[in-house]
Amino acid sequence: NAGVTQTPKFRVLKTGQSMTLLCAQDMNHEYMYWYRQDPGMGLRLIHYSVGEGTTAKGEVPDGYNVSRLKKQNFLLGLESAAPSQTSVYFCASSYLSRDFYDGEQYFGPGTRLTVT
Amino acid sequence: AQSVAQPEDQVNVAEGNPLTVKCTYSVSGNPYLFWYVQYPNRGLQFLLKYITGDNLVKGSYGFEAEFNKSQTSFHLKKPSALVSDSALYFCAVRDPLWGGSARQLTFGSGTQLTVLP
Repeated sequence: NAGVTQTPKFRVLKTGQSMTLLCAQDMNHEYMYWYRQDPGMGLRLIHYSVGEGTTAKGEVPDGYNVSRLKKQNFLLGLESAAPSQTSVYFCASSYLSRDFYDGEQYFGPGTRLTVT
Repeated sequence: AQSVAQPEDQVNVAEGNPLTVKCTYSVSGNPYLFWYVQYPNRGLQFLLKYITGDNLVKGSYGFEAEFNKSQTSFHLKKPSALVSDSALYFCAVRDPLWGGSARQLTFGSGTQLTVLP
């Protein structure tokens, strides 16, 4: 049971380049999330998905796109990278909403992205 | 809307002493409150949560947190700190009446806990 995995772990992009971050979970979770973590700002939600084939915008969606073609995978895309997107990106997943499990998100190890 | 504040960027405590990491929140209704911990170069790990019931919540690794509705606080505590507790701690809140299907959590900015040997 690997939990939540993210690929790649590190990446350096030049302004204007594109890339895709892959998140995979093996816990059969319905919900998946993409966050960015910046110093002094906690985690901010970029996009999320409540099930296969569905996606929705979070708090800071501009400049990012996502897809959830398979239940276990959640992809985050940057079409034209900007220096402001330099950050650490975390994927998370959680059970279908039931109060007992509410809020318990399982996080991947993160991807450190630098845009020069 | 929902928000959470962690007033201390850094907390230092000696090993064996009790520790407290502070958190205050703002929601419209009754909050769901959470603590997560992040070790260096790792993702966040769930520690404990308050949904309803007893105001004192016990979690992993000997941590506990007390929900205080009148002070809108949810401070994280441990009776005796260990050097291995040194990490970044995040408080998070969810207003069950807000956030739609996302079950969105709002995280605080984090508090770096350092336990000195």
